[in-house]
Amino acid sequence: DSGVTQTPKHLITATGQRVTLRCSPRSGDLSVYWYQQSLDQGLQFLIQYYNGEERAKGNILERFSAQQFPDLHSELNLSSLELGDSALYFCASSVAGTGGWNEQFFGPGTRLTVL
Amino acid sequence: TQLLEQSPQFLSIQEGENLTVYCNSSSVFSSLQWYRQEPGEGPVLLVTVVTGGEVKKLKRLTFQFGDARKDSSLHITAAQPGDTGLYLCAGPWGGTSYGKLTFGQGTILTVHP
Repeated sequence: DSGVTQTPKHLITATGQRVTLRCSPRSGDLSVYWYQQSLDQGLQFLIQYYNGEERAKGNILERFSAQQFPDLHSELNLSSLELGDSALYFCASSVAGTGGWNEQFFGPGTRLTVL
Repeated sequence: TQLLEQSPQFLSIQEGENLTVYCNSSSVFSSLQWYRQEPGEGPVLLVTVVTGGEVKKLKRLTFQFGDARKDSSLHITAAQPGDTGLYLCAGPWGGTSYGKLTFGQGTILTVHP
């Protein structure tokens, strides 16, 4: 158990819909990262928040947005869903917001299926 | 285009055999990490290598960082069924001012009893 929690574990929805994925970081961690894992693209970085502020962006679609709240939990919002958005979405957390050697602890993921 | 290329993509071996997984890049990385991911779970960090030429051992796993810091390898001695999983290499992307990582495509290892 990494200490990072994600809800829901599974989500099935239809094209065009909007969903919200939730992540609670490990106690004491200030950074939250969102990743998307699919068979064809592998594990791709989406976005990072550090202590409530957006820190870094990856190849995140404009239809996707995220935020980190004062209690440090984070939400990833996916809208106008397409079939290709079906994937595993992971949240990770770390103590610091910088440094490539900064260990990130991954949650169990949310499996999103868009029908 | 992947910044980090892993090979092989799939590896199926018998218990007791040795294996090596490679992670290569045309870019220099300040550090590289290796993760292992099991079905239904998130990746778990195994090791971080920071210095060119560094070798780290974790029980039967040996990790090496290339002298030029463009490549890394993971060697498993006497593989066991419990080693089965997806192995991912990852490196910091966009500079160390950020924590974002770029991952290789992964190597799916299956160890048969």
